[in-house]
Amino acid sequence: DARVTQTPRHKVTEMGQEVTMRCQPILGHNTVFWYRQTMMQGLELLAYFRNRAPLDDSGMPKDRFSAEMPDATLATLKIQPSEPRDSAVYFCASGFLRDIQETQYFGPGTRLLVL
Amino acid sequence: GQNIDQPTEMTATEGAIVQINCTYQTSGFNGLFWYQQHAGEAPTFLSYNVLDGLEEKGRFSSFLSRSKGYSYLLLKELQMKDSASYLCAVRAAGNKLTFGGGTRVLVKP
Repeated sequence: DARVTQTPRHKVTEMGQEVTMRCQPILGHNTVFWYRQTMMQGLELLAYFRNRAPLDDSGMPKDRFSAEMPDATLATLKIQPSEPRDSAVYFCASGFLRDIQETQYFGPGTRLLVL
Repeated sequence: GQNIDQPTEMTATEGAIVQINCTYQTSGFNGLFWYQQHAGEAPTFLSYNVLDGLEEKGRFSSFLSRSKGYSYLLLKELQMKDSASYLCAVRAAGNKLTFGGGTRVLVKP
């Protein structure tokens, strides 16, 4: 049963601390997406990669957020320094480009609380 | 830019039918998705439409009219477990999905 995995599932930290979230896409998928979900803004795309290359990170605050794919099995989203307004659920999703639908499959999310 | 509208909340009775509408305005169109999201969980894929018409999958059906910028998700024979948020998402150029705010459906006994 192929699934997207994310760690940690929950994170509580203090303002100013660095936060790193990790995602393992479904094996064989070549696109990876990072989303943030809040009650106020809903689900927003932060960044996405295809074949490990960043294609779009226009949704991401550049001064404090960074996203990378060090290899095909790992994507990371880093916040440094974190702020209370970053509190949200961060979802990673993966998909396969040659699938005409390119359905995105979501991981369980990382629930981040910045105090 | 993208603009996607769907109702915030709907209530229906177990066994009934509910139709969730979604209207969109996008620059470019490359498919429309519906996702289901239970509270505290991740969105899960329900349906995909890229051509006009109705796609049926068991109790769930999704309809698309590209000329009208309109889609609906139809849930038949509602069950308590269908209580969830339903997210409409449009894919424009570049394979980016833009999500609507979601419609929370409450199924009552």
